[in-house]
Amino acid sequence: GQSLEQPSEVTAVEGAIVQINCTYQTSGFYGLSWYQQHDGGAPTFLSYNALDGLEETGRFSSFLSRSDSYGYLLLQELQMKDSASYFCAYNQGGKLIFGQGTELSVKP
Amino acid sequence: GAGVSQSPRYKVTKRGQDVALRCDPISGHVSLYWYRQALGQGPEFLTYFNYEAQQDKSGLPNDRFSAERPEGSISTLTIQRTEQRDSAMYRCASSLGDGELAKNIQYFGAGTRLSVL
Repeated sequence: GQSLEQPSEVTAVEGAIVQINCTYQTSGFYGLSWYQQHDGGAPTFLSYNALDGLEETGRFSSFLSRSDSYGYLLLQELQMKDSASYFCAYNQGGKLIFGQGTELSVKP
Repeated sequence: GAGVSQSPRYKVTKRGQDVALRCDPISGHVSLYWYRQALGQGPEFLTYFNYEAQQDKSGLPNDRFSAERPEGSISTLTIQRTEQRDSAMYRCASSLGDGELAKNIQYFGAGTRLSVL
């Protein structure tokens, strides 16, 4: 089948580092995207990996291993405003297939 | 406009009525997507267009759902004979181009919250 798996919830404290994992299963794969969605808001693009390795964008980094069908989003120096849902997604024939999302709670 | 605009923001309708949800994408964006998002879930793909051509409608739940983008810009998602199970947030997104091998960064609108009574 085709799917993405990610943890439903993660809790961390301000200033810490948190990793949100995503495993996927699909017959065709071009790359893995990450989107952030604050409560009541729209999903917004964070990061994209087409090739194996780490992509860094400020406090956020994303990693992909195509051989393991696995990726993760790494958030450093957590801030309260990072509390949100995070979705991994893959591009399938022009459309995005999203995971169920990980709700990140950042505590003071 | 500056971003993807959807209207109405909220729609309450009675079971059996037809509804039309509108999406105005970012100017110049080739691709337009419709998703449905249940509370606490990820966006679920419904259909998408490149210009005015509907490329994929595999996510439309049944034949009560249809979408069009006649001039390659504004799109309308229509739900006929609404049912309570159709209640959800309907989101529209647009991108520069579907770019199967590209990032395909999608910009989402604020959504239309549909409630069917």
